[in-house]
This record gives sequence, C-alpha cells and structure tokens, in this order.
Amino acid sequence: AQSVTQLGSHVSVSEGALVLLRCNYSSSVPPYLFWYVQYPNQGLQLLLKYTSAATLVKGINGFEAEFKKSETSFHLTKPSAHMSDAAEYFCAVSESGGNQGGKLIFGQGTELSVKP
Amino acid sequence: DTAVSQTPKYLVTQMGNDKSIKCEQNLGHDTMYWYKQDSKKFLKIMFSYNNKELIINETVPNRFSPKSPDKAHLNLHINSLELGDSAVYFCASSQKGTGGYEQYFGPGTRLTVT
Repeated sequence: AQSVTQLGSHVSVSEGALVLLRCNYSSSVPPYLFWYVQYPNQGLQLLLKYTSAATLVKGINGFEAEFKKSETSFHLTKPSAHMSDAAEYFCAVSESGGNQGGKLIFGQGTELSVKP
Repeated sequence: DTAVSQTPKYLVTQMGNDKSIKCEQNLGHDTMYWYKQDSKKFLKIMFSYNNKELIINETVPNRFSPKSPDKAHLNLHINSLELGDSAVYFCASSQKGTGGYEQYFGPGTRLTVT
C-alpha cells in the first residue's frame, strides 16, 4: 500500500530564509508525486509534480522538489521565503498504473509560518 | 472562470438531517473525486467516478451516496448526518495523461453538524 510521511507538522522560517519541507513516500510501483499548497479557507493548488521525466522538478512561486528514489524522498524547497508563502503544504502520491483512478494518498500536511 | 466549483461553500445543519453538496467542473475531465479533510487537516479520498462510473469507494459509510449525472458533475448526498461528519469536503477532477492524474480541486464545502 502507498503512504506518505511529512516530517514536521509545523515549520517556521524567517523571511528570506531557505524553505525545506520534507516528504517520504512508500510505493510498490513507480509513483507519481505531487506537492499541493492550501491557503486558509481555500482549496488545494498544485505546486509541482514528479512524473518520471526529470528528478528535479520546478513548480510555481519559486518552489522546486527533487525525487530521490534511493531515499524514497520528494522534499520541497524554496531558496528565499516570502510572507505570502505561509500556508499548509501537502505531499501526495498516486500510482502510475493499475486501476486506482489516480487517487491521491496525502501526507498529514506541514504548516509553514514565515516570520518578518 | 472557475474550473471546479462547489455549492454550497458553507453548510450548517443538525444531526439526523439529509444534505447534498454539488460539484461541477468545466475542464472536460473524465474523472472526478470527493475528498474529506478533517479537523486536523488530514485529507482522505472518499469516492472517484470515471465517465459516470464509480471506480473508487474507500469504505465510506453507506449514508454517503455520490451521484454523477454526467461527467462534468459529481454530487454528494449525505443521509442522517452525524457530528463526526463535520469536515471540509473537496471535489476534484482530473484527466489521465502522460503525467498521471493531475488533480484540480474545488474551493471546498465546510460542513458543520450540530
């Protein structure tokens, strides 16, 4: 069965500092991996996705993530945090084949706070 | 022009009532989903439909009944509401491509059962 673990339910950084949100996954088949962001009282917005084309994936708002198969990780980074990055971030996995209809298995989420 | 829309955005009701949440997508996608986000913000899939056919039913109580009149709509009807049903319900849609199923989410419906 697939699963996702996000280390740290809450991460706090200063404005301009590096953002690192950790995600480890478990999957018996090649996975598709996603990072979503949720701003307060809003739906989920896709930041970026890994689909096996490239291990370093660039997304919106300056975020990127690197797929490391040996570490079963897909950590999200941003070189310099902005106040507007404060939100909840979710890592998710889905199977690349089968008849699971692309269902997403989510991690528990990481709340990012950005201090002035 | 909203891609995935849900109505209502907020729903407050009493235990034992029956309520429905509607979802519509204008992206031309074949697959639609319902997810539940609990008070700890944990997201879990409930149902998925592909071209009006149910393909995923994640051991959700049978008080929850999804209905897809066409591939652009997926509604969720909940009978005999319980306190534990209080949550945010998200609809999503996707189309299978080379990048798997990239899902687009609606704004959510916050259901409060009193």
